[in-house]
Amino acid sequence: QKEVEQDPGPLSVPEGAIVSLNCTYSNSAFQYFMWYRQYSRKGPELLMYTYSSGNKEDGRFTAQVDKSSKYISLFIRDSQPSDSATYLCGGGGTSYGKLTFGQGTILTVHP
Amino acid sequence: EAEVAQSPRYKITEKSQAVAFWCDPISGHATLYWYRQILGQGPELLVQFQDESVVDDSQLPKDRFSAERLKGVDSTLKIQPAELGDSAMYLCASSSHSYNEQFFGPGTRLTVL
Repeated sequence: QKEVEQDPGPLSVPEGAIVSLNCTYSNSAFQYFMWYRQYSRKGPELLMYTYSSGNKEDGRFTAQVDKSSKYISLFIRDSQPSDSATYLCGGGGTSYGKLTFGQGTILTVHP
Repeated sequence: EAEVAQSPRYKITEKSQAVAFWCDPISGHATLYWYRQILGQGPELLVQFQDESVVDDSQLPKDRFSAERLKGVDSTLKIQPAELGDSAMYLCASSSHSYNEQFFGPGTRLTVL
């Protein structure tokens, strides 16, 4: 079993929809989580960094962490075609701060 | 805005050849990471530096891969000899300290023929 599991999708939604992206993890030692957006053939771009249970909001993005169920989510409001990308979740805080990633969810927002 | 720089962006090589990738982290960042990302998967850590010291290279195939960060600033990752299975995106990331946010560079896409 992988330490971080993500549904690979692909997920296709219409413009303006609310998108929910989810990850589960098995390593109880993870102390913080990061969400990245990765466009095709580009490096990952940091979207959110959270280290406690609860919600964190930044613009159209909300990250949610539930450590009791080992479940993390990223919500995108008013989705745009420019949000079409692969979204990666990562857990960290174990060995020297390395991140363990899920395989990524491919999202397409169509006009 | 400060960014992580990597070069080259693309590299095509034949198996058994040597390849090298270079990374320049965000200025002042003490921690530098090299990740490998196979198409359709998430990045996996190869090696992590704290300043000039390696703190985690448990997933680095040491028979063919080597990494250095001599002055604690920029870093080089080398593969010798390259194998077909090494075809992947090689990503460099940096953070101000371990356990802080990690910022990725654009990556080097390696194709081994």
